Amino acid sequence: EVQLVESGGDLVQPGGSLRLSCAASGFTFRNYEMNWVRQAPGKGLEWVSFISSGGTTTYYGDSVKGRFSISRDNAKNSLVLQMNSVSDEDTAVYYCAAGYSTNWVDYWGQGTLVTVSS
Amino acid sequence: SYELTQPPSVSVSPGQTASITCSGDRLENKYVSWYQQRPGQSPVLVIYQDYKRPSGIPERFSGSTSGNTATLTISGTQALDEADYYCQTWDTSMAFGGGTQLAVL
Repeated sequence: EVQLVESGGDLVQPGGSLRLSCAASGFTFRNYEMNWVRQAPGKGLEWVSFISSGGTTTYYGDSVKGRFSISRDNAKNSLVLQMNSVSDEDTAVYYCAAGYSTNWVDYWGQGTLVTVSS
Repeated sequence: SYELTQPPSVSVSPGQTASITCSGDRLENKYVSWYQQRPGQSPVLVIYQDYKRPSGIPERFSGSTSGNTATLTISGTQALDEADYYCQTWDTSMAFGGGTQLAVL
């Protein structure tokens, strides 16, 4: 059974930092491109960041560029999103998402909630 | 960043056909995927590469593209199909449409 389990979501103050993790199982993680996608309360899906299967290529959405960093460890089947200098606009459920191609997402995690508030 | 436009809402009667559109510049040159998201749940892939269905997705879900518009069609719509639907593509980054709330009335 494919599983993507996110963790690390929490209440954080504006300007603070948070590290989200995603543990993958049930599929060959090293063969899949990985993304973080977020969804603010009552809003639609917003792509946040991408990392290639080998970890050599990364992309970021304009709203998080320079503040967030994505990484992966294929030996540990894990994905990380380091979030720095967070603001209220970063409040959302963050999904870990795996795709065999850059063009779609095959698997989604259950999401982890990040709340930015003082 | 690349923009995809969807209607905010679509309504359909049970057993009828629902069509949800997604438009974007030069979309005919890109692959389009569709996701279903029921309230309180994670998204689920229902169509990829414009028209392909993942294993386990009912045949009543189909996808097509024509020019700058992609369409998700749900034939014989059922109450359990009531959900938000998002189109998605990859340009220089991943892009999602704003989502369409499908009401089965």
